[in-house]
Amino acid sequence: DAKTTQPTSMDCAEGRAANLPCNHSTISGNEYVYWYRQIHSQGPQYIIHGLKNNETNEMASLIITEDRKSSTLILPHATLRDTAVYYCIARRNTGTASKLTFGTGTRLQVTL
Amino acid sequence: EPEVTQTPSHQVTQMGQEVILRCVPISNHLYFYWYRQILGQKVEFLVSFYNNEISEKSEIFDDQFSVERPDGSNFTLKIRSTKLEDSAMYFCASRTRGGTEKLFFGSGTQLSVL
Repeated sequence: DAKTTQPTSMDCAEGRAANLPCNHSTISGNEYVYWYRQIHSQGPQYIIHGLKNNETNEMASLIITEDRKSSTLILPHATLRDTAVYYCIARRNTGTASKLTFGTGTRLQVTL
Repeated sequence: EPEVTQTPSHQVTQMGQEVILRCVPISNHLYFYWYRQILGQKVEFLVSFYNNEISEKSEIFDDQFSVERPDGSNFTLKIRSTKLEDSAMYFCASRTRGGTEKLFFGSGTQLSVL
């Protein structure tokens, strides 16, 4: 899996968009960008993933740069419940039970 | 949405005792995982399991650990002789075969070894 780099922490006001960056400059052509989050001591939760195109689902949007060296996860209207650690993982779809590795992520604090 | 269920939510044990952590993965999933997280540290991979055998394991997963899928629904992690450093939150996860790396995690078992 390609190495990813994320800021250690970020703050966001409730109701505003939270934009979480991730650098993955060595990502290979068949590696997807996955985002998970972990709300305090709960199990990690899948958010979204993408290869080249921008993606949106009910939780978030994922913007991947054209050169695929970085991406941004956008929570359009952050709430206090979005306070969590967000993990960006570059990963090819292996079709096997190989491990998914979590880094240290970005701790997002949503405030009133 | 279907869930991965883990029991118990908390387990307290004495050092040297055996513990079994239980998980019920999502019913049509075929790949199963155990992770752990020591307080304040990263989520660490322990083991993955497919087709009734271990697919991959980490250095942490030594001879004291074992996994089993005893029937069609449960997936267990056994620690034979617990150590103080085994105190952690243990997460079970599962996913469907093929396709994406979208893992579904349970809410975890907090293991405290005294």
